[in-house]
Amino acid sequence: DGGITQSPKYLFRKEGQNVTLSCEQNLNHDAMYWYRQDPGQGLRLIYYSQIVNDFQKGDIAEGYSVSREKKESFPLTVTSAQKNPTAFYLCASKRPTSSYNEQFFGPGTRLTVL
Amino acid sequence: AQKVTQAQTEISVVEKEDVTLDCVYETRDTTYYLFWYKQPPSGELVFLIRRNSFDEQNEISGRYSWNFQKSTSSFNFTITASQVVDSAVYFCALSEDSGGYQKVTFGTGTKLQVIP
Repeated sequence: DGGITQSPKYLFRKEGQNVTLSCEQNLNHDAMYWYRQDPGQGLRLIYYSQIVNDFQKGDIAEGYSVSREKKESFPLTVTSAQKNPTAFYLCASKRPTSSYNEQFFGPGTRLTVL
Repeated sequence: AQKVTQAQTEISVVEKEDVTLDCVYETRDTTYYLFWYKQPPSGELVFLIRRNSFDEQNEISGRYSWNFQKSTSSFNFTITASQVVDSAVYFCALSEDSGGYQKVTFGTGTKLQVIP
């Protein structure tokens, strides 16, 4: 079945550590996104990529980094520079960005800083 | 700048009651899309509906219906005869073109609890 997978489901990090969240899709979608969700807030865009080897900062990119070496994969690294990384992270993908299609979401990764 | 407001933070209803979730948006564009997503406790957002700015027809899908009114910039979502499985957080979202990229803005969500 086609879809988006994210791993791990739960992740615990010590302060000062970098961690990488995985996002893989087999929908053949060009565009991929990372969002952060905090309690009582909507989804906020961290990074997005419209095509392989290209990505752009979203609204809250500071302290995060991404790569897009393959169409299927868009990993997110939460660096030690991110001051408040505890949150729920959602990855999404979409058919070509020239059309107003809906986004498909993965199941999310809940990151907790100890 | 685009903005989506979901003023209802949490709603509780008894099973079989009807419930309407409000969504008000702001945009300067004439071409835009509106969406509703459902986020059950498992966390994954599930797409429910998309509506473009030129189509103000209301839509019904089973127990779900949507009322789009450009005059009031609203895109409200009604669940008829609610069920426990409808308990979730519901997000309204607005998508408009931003230099070739579709910028999507989400509301803060409405948490719906259906009590058996």
